[in-house]
Amino acid sequence: QVQLQESGPGLVKPSETLSLTCTVSGDSVTIKGYYWSWIRQTPGKGLEWMGYISYSGSTNYNPSLKSRVTISAETSKNQFSLKMTSVTTEDTAIYYCARDHMIPQSRYFFYAMDVWGQGTTVTVSS
Amino acid sequence: DLQMMQSPSSLSASVGDRVTITCRASQGIRNDLSWYQQKPGKAPKCLIYAASTLQSGVPSRFSGSGFGTEFTLTINSLQPEDFATYYCLQHSSYPRIFGQGTKLDIK
Repeated sequence: QVQLQESGPGLVKPSETLSLTCTVSGDSVTIKGYYWSWIRQTPGKGLEWMGYISYSGSTNYNPSLKSRVTISAETSKNQFSLKMTSVTTEDTAIYYCARDHMIPQSRYFFYAMDVWGQGTTVTVSS
Repeated sequence: DLQMMQSPSSLSASVGDRVTITCRASQGIRNDLSWYQQKPGKAPKCLIYAASTLQSGVPSRFSGSGFGTEFTLTINSLQPEDFATYYCLQHSSYPRIFGQGTKLDIK
């Protein structure tokens, strides 16, 4: 059974860098067809997709966050990480890591975020 | 960016009822859409992908339909454990966009 677990500081000061890690168990981050994603949730903006790192190491970021976000992977530890610079109180949220799974069906590929971490709350405050 | 408009934002229903939640995309997304259920304090759970394919282990009272710009999630014979918030998610393009959510509570 695949499991994802987020870890990292729960409190970050404004203007500093938020760093979170997602540890994957029961699967490998290098398996073809998986896009390892970060999603955050706030009461005001709902669920916001932040970006992914793919099984091949390629990345894709939400343009609204692109200049501040970096997602990387450490394959030897089967982990992937999120770094977001210059945080403000607007970045206070629950942060989830998730597996976006590319699923072949007929002649096409579809996607489903089929495995999620439990989420970790990050508060930005001085 | 593509926009996803989900309605209603909240819905009250009783056990045994049939409910329908709608998601509309601002442009055609074929059937590149999935649905999620989220309970308080928990991560979202995938119910349906490809607009109508039930994720493994999801009860058959859940169903999805739609193609292009309009999609529906239907729950037949509501059970107590179905009271939650539901989200759609488009997979047609990046950035991925979630609907704003529909909170389903007990009447």
